[in-house]
Amino acid sequence: DAGVTQSPTHLIKTRGQQVTLRCSPKSGHDTVSWYQQALGQGPQFIFQYYEEEERQRGNFPDRFSGHQFPNYSSELNVNALLLGDSALYLCASSGGRGETQYFGPGTRLLVL
Amino acid sequence: AQSVTQPDIHITVSEGASLELRCNYSYGATPYLFWYVQSPGQGLQLLLKYFSGDTLVQGIKGFEAEFKRSQSSFNLRKPSVHWSDAAEYFCAVAPLSFQKLVFGTGTRLLVSP
Repeated sequence: DAGVTQSPTHLIKTRGQQVTLRCSPKSGHDTVSWYQQALGQGPQFIFQYYEEEERQRGNFPDRFSGHQFPNYSSELNVNALLLGDSALYLCASSGGRGETQYFGPGTRLLVL
Repeated sequence: AQSVTQPDIHITVSEGASLELRCNYSYGATPYLFWYVQSPGQGLQLLLKYFSGDTLVQGIKGFEAEFKRSQSSFNLRKPSVHWSDAAEYFCAVAPLSFQKLVFGTGTRLLVSP
């Protein structure tokens, strides 16, 4: 049973560019949450998708947007990249009653 | 707003010694409580969770945690640390099911020989 997968593993972009990160949830899970983890910090909640709709959103600007597909996979898009967007981006999936979120390995984004 | 405090940024423990990592939360009601572990460059692995019932919960890798409502704490313990336990440990809370996780800043565990 595959766990949560994310792609790519690493990414280098320059300021002003746009990036798309991808996540496939654990089998049987229908909810995907995205987190940003800056170096030396705990993860910060970006948003959560359920039934292809954004259900919750953290304190992130509109440059951060997402999408969930009918197969429950999800994308995180970041526009107009800033140096401060450099971080590890984690995807987590949950299902059923949704109490427990299981995390993928993350995508490390470096913005130059 | 919910918050999680992990007062120890770094902890060094000798291999074979016992371990306790502290976690305090601020929330009006009892939230769902979690401990995750992160090895360098990796994602987060769930160690254990508390939703209700018995306040002492067992997790993977020999870890346990105790929920104390009166102290708003959820400390992680292990009786004998192994060198492979060296990692970053995060305490997290969620106010309700399906809700976002709020993480502490983490405690880095170093294990000395």
